[in-house]
Amino acid sequence: DGGITQSPKYLFRKEGQNVTLSCEQNLNHDAMYWYRQDPGQGLRLIYYSQIVNDFQKGDIAEGYSVSREKKESFPLTVTSAQKNPTAFYLCAINAGEGTDTQYFGPGTRLTVL
Amino acid sequence: GQNIDQPTEMTATEGAIVQINCTYQTSGFNGLFWYQQHAGEAPTFLSYNVLDGLEEKGRFSSFLSRSKGYSYLLLKELQMKDSASYLCASYGQNFVFGPGTRLSVLP
Repeated sequence: DGGITQSPKYLFRKEGQNVTLSCEQNLNHDAMYWYRQDPGQGLRLIYYSQIVNDFQKGDIAEGYSVSREKKESFPLTVTSAQKNPTAFYLCAINAGEGTDTQYFGPGTRLTVL
Repeated sequence: GQNIDQPTEMTATEGAIVQINCTYQTSGFNGLFWYQQHAGEAPTFLSYNVLDGLEEKGRFSSFLSRSKGYSYLLLKELQMKDSASYLCASYGQNFVFGPGTRLSVLP
């Protein structure tokens, strides 16, 4: 992590409400990613952005939206269209010398009641 | 296509050595990564392999065979704090993560 922050750590919402998860980085890296993790499963890619004002759908983008207006920020909105939003959400950047390595923020655990 | 397989759970004794295996199928393979994840926390980077062979980092080593689509993470002199999930991830166009292997270290 180091320069990747996610807030809040725990988030509770009622069913049918949209909610936005924050991801900020001060490492000046271009590529940012959003994953969700469910118990007993690997991380699944929701959206990623390689550069400001551009982003791509991952494997499970339905029910989610993102924006990348600034290099430092890549917020994720979980919409009411997401059928099963309760999960652990992780933001990541690509960094490293010689090869890309993913480093993660501390995560946000979202519970929809 | 992309697919990663690793054992669901493993148990070992403090002070012992444990090997966690991972098999993968990845288009445009660029590297194999290992992460450690303690319960309720984010994954932290342990090691990566791009070329065949063994990479050693203190008590942890990782091995890769590209021709066999196979990697392992070797943990020596196990400590209680090593109890965690270990995620194998292949890097092609993007990162693809395995389901993780939950390691329990017993006294």
